[in-house]
Amino acid sequence: ETGVTQSPTHLIKTRGQQVTLRCSSQSGHNTVSWYQQALGQGPQFIFQYYREEENGRGNFPPRFSGLQFPNYSSELNVNALELDDSALYLCASSLPPEGGGGRFETQYFGPGTRLLVL
Amino acid sequence: LAKTTQPISMDSYEGQEVNITCSHNNIATNDYITWYQQFPSQGPRFIIQGYKTKVTNEVASLFIPADRKSSTLSLPRVSLSDTAVYYCLVGDIRRSSASKIIFGSGTRLSIRP
Repeated sequence: ETGVTQSPTHLIKTRGQQVTLRCSSQSGHNTVSWYQQALGQGPQFIFQYYREEENGRGNFPPRFSGLQFPNYSSELNVNALELDDSALYLCASSLPPEGGGGRFETQYFGPGTRLLVL
Repeated sequence: LAKTTQPISMDSYEGQEVNITCSHNNIATNDYITWYQQFPSQGPRFIIQGYKTKVTNEVASLFIPADRKSSTLSLPRVSLSDTAVYYCLVGDIRRSSASKIIFGSGTRLSIRP
């Protein structure tokens, strides 16, 4: 168990709808990253949040947006859902070394939310 | 952006050592290499991470040559429960320089009795 939880576990939506996915980070982790994983493919980086601000973004359109809250939990919002948005959505939390000490920052993944768009 | 290339699949037998190689010719100076294991319908699980030379932990070893254009994950004495998809990840996720993080397509490892 990584201590990272996601909700809901499964979700079915129709095209054009909006969806909000939630993630609770591992205790003490102030950074959260979101990934989209289509069936049979590797995870694709969507964006990262650090202390409530976006800190890097992958090649996803603006209809993918996020929030990070003061308790470091996070939301992923997707507007105007398309069929190709059907995927496993993963969040990962991490704790950057303070003061820049050390390079390694391990991400711990949650179990994911399976989204199906019909 | 460092793109990674891995074998699509590999087969081995229980008790054998398995080596999975990942190519990342365009790795950047600030990038480091992380390997994850993923079972169906679960999130990836961290295995090992390194920047150069060799890293070893209780479950695996990671070999990185001096030019860092490839890396090899070594799993000693695999068991049936090691059957999973293994991903090589190259990127710099540090807070100070978060960049696009690239997962490879993964290697599907099948272990037979």
